[in-house]
Amino acid sequence: GQNIDQPTEMTATEGAIVQINCTYQTSGFNGLFWYQQHAGEAPTFLSYNVLDGLEEKGRFSSFLSRSKGYSYLLLKELQMKDSASYLCAVEDSNYQLIWGAGTKLIIKP
Amino acid sequence: SAVISQKPSRDICQRGTSLTIQCQVDSQVTMMFWYRQQPGQSLTLIATANQGSEATYESGFVIDKFPISRPNLTFSTLTVSNLSPEDSSIYLCSVEDPGGNEQFFGPGTRLTVL
Repeated sequence: GQNIDQPTEMTATEGAIVQINCTYQTSGFNGLFWYQQHAGEAPTFLSYNVLDGLEEKGRFSSFLSRSKGYSYLLLKELQMKDSASYLCAVEDSNYQLIWGAGTKLIIKP
Repeated sequence: SAVISQKPSRDICQRGTSLTIQCQVDSQVTMMFWYRQQPGQSLTLIATANQGSEATYESGFVIDKFPISRPNLTFSTLTVSNLSPEDSSIYLCSVEDPGGNEQFFGPGTRLTVL
């Protein structure tokens, strides 16, 4: 079966760095996505990785290792507004998006 | 990027009734997706709606319960029929960026069934 695993909840301090991990087992791979979802709002796109390595976009970076079925989202210089759920999703061989359950990130002052 | 609107933004319905959710996109798109997000859970794809053809439903979702219309390239509706409390959820429509790999989501419709 297809499976995306990410931690249910994480807590971090304002100004610090946090890494949210995602492991996946899917039938084929055509890319991995990270989305941010604030409570009560729709998800918004953060990043897309299809090749191994690190993609940096401002305070957010996303890493992919296809051989390990592993990705992480790195958030630097955390701000209170970064409190949200972070969803990992993988596009399988049929270009179908398989979604993880999301990681709720709590930022404390 | 695509701008997506949904109506209604929220509704409270009685058991046994139906609710139709409208999704409007500001550009023409081939595929529109309908998702459900139950409280505290991630997104679950209900169906993919292509203009001019029957929607494709995911396992566990059937047309009788979730009829979908796709009359043109900018609009779709999802009806949740014969409502039960288990249908209480957020329903989201989504489109793909044709030039890239991003998915855009509507603001969602929060449904509560009493």
